[in-house]
Amino acid sequence: QKEVEQDPGPLSVPEGAIVSLNCTYSNSAFQYFMWYRQYSRKGPELLMYTYSSGNKEDGRFTAQVDKSSKYISLFIRDSQPSDSATYLCAMRTGNTPLVFGKGTRLSVIA
Amino acid sequence: GAVVSQHPSWVICKSGTSVKIECRSLDFQATTMFWYRQFPKQSLMLMATSNEGSKATYEQGVEKDKFLINHASLTLSTLTVTSAHPEDSSFYICSATASVNEKLFFGSGTQLSVL
Repeated sequence: QKEVEQDPGPLSVPEGAIVSLNCTYSNSAFQYFMWYRQYSRKGPELLMYTYSSGNKEDGRFTAQVDKSSKYISLFIRDSQPSDSATYLCAMRTGNTPLVFGKGTRLSVIA
Repeated sequence: GAVVSQHPSWVICKSGTSVKIECRSLDFQATTMFWYRQFPKQSLMLMATSNEGSKATYEQGVEKDKFLINHASLTLSTLTVTSAHPEDSSFYICSATASVNEKLFFGSGTQLSVL
């Protein structure tokens, strides 16, 4: 089993839809959880940064971490065509490099 | 968020030549920088971790003599692809953090094409 599992998609939704992106992981020592957005041929951009369990909201984005289930989610409300990108989950323990999911390709259709 | 500048954004070179990629943290001191490689529609593959003033730590399978990493200051790390070959063609991305407990920020990436 890979440390971090993420459905690669592609995921296609109509503009205005609520998007749900998810990752599961196997290492219970992970404490820091991140979501990055990557446009084609660009570096990843940090969207959300969460420590331990709980929810975090920033504008149209909400990140959830459920450590008991080893499951993290990113919700995008009122999705826009500009949200079309690859979304990468990433996580780490206290002092190790990030472990990335494979990324989910999202297309928001106008 | 913090700014990490990476140059060049793309480079084309002949087989056998060396290519240097620069990664700079513009508004914070980066004690640790990471170098990744990414193939089309694939996730990021960590190549090496570099701490300022120390030798880089390479991931298994990454040739340290081919991918030379220098992290001479708290704001600059360089990756030199030596004697490049077509199979080295890829998208290379650097990232930087002020400390292991801080957020990680990425450069914009470098597309390397070796002819």
